[in-house]
Amino acid sequence: SAVISQKPSRDICQRGTSLTIQCQVDSQVTMMFWYRQQPGQSLTLIATANQGSEATYESGFVIDKFPISRPNLTFSTLTVSNMSPEDSSIYLCSVAVNTGDPTYEQYFGPGTRLTVT
Amino acid sequence: GENVEQHPSTLSVQEGDSAVIKCTYSDSASNYFPWYKQELGKRPQLIIDIRSNVGEKKDQRIAVTLNKTAKHFSLHITETQPEDSAVYFCAARRAGKLIFGQGTTLQVKP
Repeated sequence: SAVISQKPSRDICQRGTSLTIQCQVDSQVTMMFWYRQQPGQSLTLIATANQGSEATYESGFVIDKFPISRPNLTFSTLTVSNMSPEDSSIYLCSVAVNTGDPTYEQYFGPGTRLTVT
Repeated sequence: GENVEQHPSTLSVQEGDSAVIKCTYSDSASNYFPWYKQELGKRPQLIIDIRSNVGEKKDQRIAVTLNKTAKHFSLHITETQPEDSAVYFCAARRAGKLIFGQGTTLQVKP
């Protein structure tokens, strides 16, 4: 597995502002992802963070709203821009860990609980 | 794209009974099917997974079965204990991306 940390663990923000969430992994990983989990709901993939190139966004998510950086193989950031109350959610970083067989396992960070007022 | 349906949304069992959660997926190219357990306020934890070339996998009290023809897979928990109470998510991976089911809230009553 991998040790994944996120900062901040929670925040309360004013609408119209932006928040940057950091994800740090204790080992190099090829794939990193960002998910959103709204209260009582399932996990929705926002984007795949690609090292050295632009992130790949899922339908319904755009770079202007959720810019992502991945400067190296152990770190990524997700920014939630121009926030509205609808952005209140838990944001989770996830990494793919090669298990040595022809596939890989995926693990999650502890999440960042965001409340927008 | 991939779509994953999960049933039931809630499940209540007596301690010691078995629990079964079922998922169906839409994309036959999906090749990896993990299950996650999420306790309240915690991150999802990988508890078991199955690859598309395997029909069944067991790990102590939990097992997963996969029927590729029918495109469904199931989680089986035997001898349930109160600490099994949590939300369980199934997922299917296609083209490197995990798509999750809606989740099942399992309550194990002592």
